[in-house]
Amino acid sequence: KNEVEQSPQNLTAQEGEFITINCSYSVGISALHWLQQHPGGGIVSLFMLSSGKKKHGRLIATINIQEKHSSLHITASHPRDSAVYICAVGGATNKLIFGTGTLLAVQP
Amino acid sequence: DTAVSQTPKYLVTQMGNDKSIKCEQNLGHDTMYWYKQDSKKFLKIMFSYNNKELIINETVPNRFSPKSPDKAHLNLHINSLELGDSAVYFCASSPMRALLNTGELFFGEGSRLTVL
Repeated sequence: KNEVEQSPQNLTAQEGEFITINCSYSVGISALHWLQQHPGGGIVSLFMLSSGKKKHGRLIATINIQEKHSSLHITASHPRDSAVYICAVGGATNKLIFGTGTLLAVQP
Repeated sequence: DTAVSQTPKYLVTQMGNDKSIKCEQNLGHDTMYWYKQDSKKFLKIMFSYNNKELIINETVPNRFSPKSPDKAHLNLHINSLELGDSAVYFCASSPMRALLNTGELFFGEGSRLTVL
């Protein structure tokens, strides 16, 4: 079992839908990262959080340290949101551990 | 200006060859990383340097040798390339020490290595 699990692995949504991607982890962490990888291959950091909630535009990330769980929400989804979303955690082992990613396709 | 730049973007080579991938960041960050992304899109840390000092060496075969001439550059040299080395290699930098894992990451565009 991976130390970082994401669900769902694949997600297809219609434009305008509210989307939630989940990340659960089994290790102690100092920070959790949400990354976005577009079909062209580049990776962009969306959020880094260690508690509570962060919002950037239509994206919201939350983390519950006690439950070892984080969610990434996309409001009013758009086809340009189509990408792979990757959760990664950093903790006592001094290296980031990555989830396997969630492939999101938003259809017009 | 690209914040983290890698060269080359694509590299096709024969088994047994030696190749290098270069990475430069102009963000003034102290920490740089090399990650490998396999065919299933799974990312894994290979190396991390903080201000030219090796911080993380994640059980990578010693055919892989990182070199950091200064804190803005982290190059990856691979000797005796094998088929299994085919992957996309990402360079990244962060403003915080790797040990804290609390710095935002800035990635390069990736270098796709294909070993024939």
